Amino acid sequence: ETGVTQSPTHLIKTRGQQVTLRCSSQSGHNTVSWYQQALGQGPQFIFQYYREEENGRGNFPPRFSGLQFPNYSSELNVNALELDDSALYLCASSSPTDRASDGYTFGSGTRLTVV
Amino acid sequence: LAKTTQPISMDSYEGQEVNITCSHNNIATNDYITWYQQFPSQGPRFIIQGYKTKVTNEVASLFIPADRKSSTLSLPRVSLSDTAVYYCLVGDIENYGQNFVFGPGTRLSVLP
Repeated sequence: ETGVTQSPTHLIKTRGQQVTLRCSSQSGHNTVSWYQQALGQGPQFIFQYYREEENGRGNFPPRFSGLQFPNYSSELNVNALELDDSALYLCASSSPTDRASDGYTFGSGTRLTVV
Repeated sequence: LAKTTQPISMDSYEGQEVNITCSHNNIATNDYITWYQQFPSQGPRFIIQGYKTKVTNEVASLFIPADRKSSTLSLPRVSLSDTAVYYCLVGDIENYGQNFVFGPGTRLSVLP
C-alpha cells in the first residue's frame, strides 16, 4: 500500500508566476485535501475534493484552484504568486470508511519559495 | 467550528510519560477529537482519534472526560524521536477538511 506522494518536493518561483503542485492519493482514498503551512504555524485548510468535486474551501482567494482526476490524484494551482505564498503545501487523502480509524494520510509536502 | 487550546511548548526527559491537554469548550455533538504529530519538513501523521472515554493504540492513549470539553493525549515513556509538534483537532469527520482546523500545536522537546 503506497502513501501520499507529492511533487515536486521543492520549487522556486518568481512573484507573479503560476505554479502547479501535484498529489497522488493513497490507494483506495477518494478524498483529497490541500493545506498551506507557513513556517512555525499549523497547516491551514485550502480546499477539499471528493470524487472530482470541490466540497469545501477555506479562506483562500480564487487564485488558489484545484482539480481532482478520476484516479483521485489532485493538483493545486496558484496564479499570480505573491511572496506570502511561500510555504509548505501539504496534500492529505482519506476514504469515508477509513476516516474514523486512520484519519487523514498526509504527504511530505512541496516547499514553495516565491522570490 | 470548534476551536482548541493547547500549550505552546512542553519539555520532558527520555523515559517519562508525557500528557498534553487540549481544551475544546464548544465541541459539537458530532465532533471527534484527533491528534496528529509533525516532524520538521514532513506532513502531519495521524496518532489517535476518539469520541468519548478512553482510546488506546500502540503509540498513545487518548482520555476524554464525560463532558468532552477537553482531552489528554498520553505518550508513554517518550524517547528523543518523539520530539515534534503535536496538534489537537476537533471536528465532524464526515466533513473533515473544512472543519478540521489546525492550531499552532504543542512543541514537545524530549531531552536526554
